[in-house]
Amino acid sequence: AQRVTQPEKLLSVFKGAPVELKCNYSYSGSPELFWYVQYSRQRLQLLLRHISRESIKGFTADLNKGETSFHLKKPFAQEEDSAMYYCALWGYNQGGKLIFGQGTELSVKP
Amino acid sequence: NAGVTQTPKFQVLKTGQSMTLQCAQDMNHEYMSWYRQDPGMGLRLIHYSVGAGITDQGEVPNGYNVSRSTTEDFPLRLLSAAPSQTSVYFCASTLVVAGVAYGYTFGSGTRLTVV
Repeated sequence: AQRVTQPEKLLSVFKGAPVELKCNYSYSGSPELFWYVQYSRQRLQLLLRHISRESIKGFTADLNKGETSFHLKKPFAQEEDSAMYYCALWGYNQGGKLIFGQGTELSVKP
Repeated sequence: NAGVTQTPKFQVLKTGQSMTLQCAQDMNHEYMSWYRQDPGMGLRLIHYSVGAGITDQGEVPNGYNVSRSTTEDFPLRLLSAAPSQTSVYFCASTLVVAGVAYGYTFGSGTRLTVV
């Protein structure tokens, strides 16, 4: 079964501090992992795909299959990074469903 | 350039009423999904579809029906609204090529209140 766990409901940091939002997953097979961001009740926007290995808005995430994790990192947080962040898993072999974690609210204080 | 369009944006229903939330995409995506978003619970999958004529249940399908007669449209029907269905509903679609998903595009959501 697919499952995504984001252990932190709220992460509060000061501007300029490093950020790490945790994501662990459970999946039988080769998953595709994503990070989505939602600003102030707007629509969800795709932030990162593990396949593309891009860095967007300074965020990076590495898939660790041994630890079944896909943590989101940024070396220096900005106030505009304050938002809800969702980790999501897509499994072609499980019917093509995208399953989300519970989300982490990131608050960056000045 | 529309992407995923959801209507209506806001709706208030009385308990027991039925309604259909509309979702349309113009990107020729085969895969479409419906989610509900509730505080502290993230996004939960209601129903999803991998192509016209094919639908399947997600994590929380009870009280909802879907159909997929065209690639573009994926309406969500509430059969008999209950206060527990008060939520924000999101529709999303993605391109899948050779078993690889390119990331779902989301609609702007429908905020539903059942009184």
